[in-house]
Amino acid sequence: SQTIHQWPATLVQPVGSPLSLECTVEGTSNPNLYWYRQAAGRGLQLLFYSVGIGQISSEVPQNLSASRPQDRQFILSSKKLLLSDSGFYLCALGLGSSYNEQFFGPGTRLTVL
Amino acid sequence: GQQLNQSPQSMFIQEGEDVSMNCTSSSIFNTWLWYKQEPGEGPVLLIALYKAGELTSNGRLTAQFGITRKDSFLNISASIPSDVGIYFCAGLTDSWGKLQFGAGTQVVVTP
Repeated sequence: SQTIHQWPATLVQPVGSPLSLECTVEGTSNPNLYWYRQAAGRGLQLLFYSVGIGQISSEVPQNLSASRPQDRQFILSSKKLLLSDSGFYLCALGLGSSYNEQFFGPGTRLTVL
Repeated sequence: GQQLNQSPQSMFIQEGEDVSMNCTSSSIFNTWLWYKQEPGEGPVLLIALYKAGELTSNGRLTAQFGITRKDSFLNISASIPSDVGIYFCAGLTDSWGKLQFGAGTQVVVTP
């Protein structure tokens, strides 16, 4: 079965600093991968999705970017963090027909001060 | 854009009671998913529904895909303390796997 790893688990960063969050998956090949953000424990918002290496689609305009340098690696980045970037970031893996089963990683709690 | 309305926002119930929550949308979905999230963790997939009218169970959980494809409900029977958490519905919007989430229902179970 598939496994999703996210690193780090928690992060506290000052405003204006860069960001790099990593998601890696095991147990599957050529998956669709997704980054979601969750604010205040409710409401997941899709930020990016990727259907393959180097292929990134952005869902909302924002201060963040994503990259997929390897099939099973998905990275969320920012050059300069804003206070509003605080939240719980979740990586997800899509499987099945039309990727209609999605499984989430353990998440990264980001606090921007 | 599409919006999912999930209700109730929260529920405080006694152990042994049944729980019911639902999601409605102004648009049609091809798939409904129900997740449970505990504090500090990622959501865990509970039930996936793929056809209008489909009724699926997973232990004490039962979910249905509405006939109009615009709604879904989740029931939890005979609740226990470990049912505590936030339950989310999600609808699949397209063939790329993009999910639209409800705002969640927080369930609190008291002994």
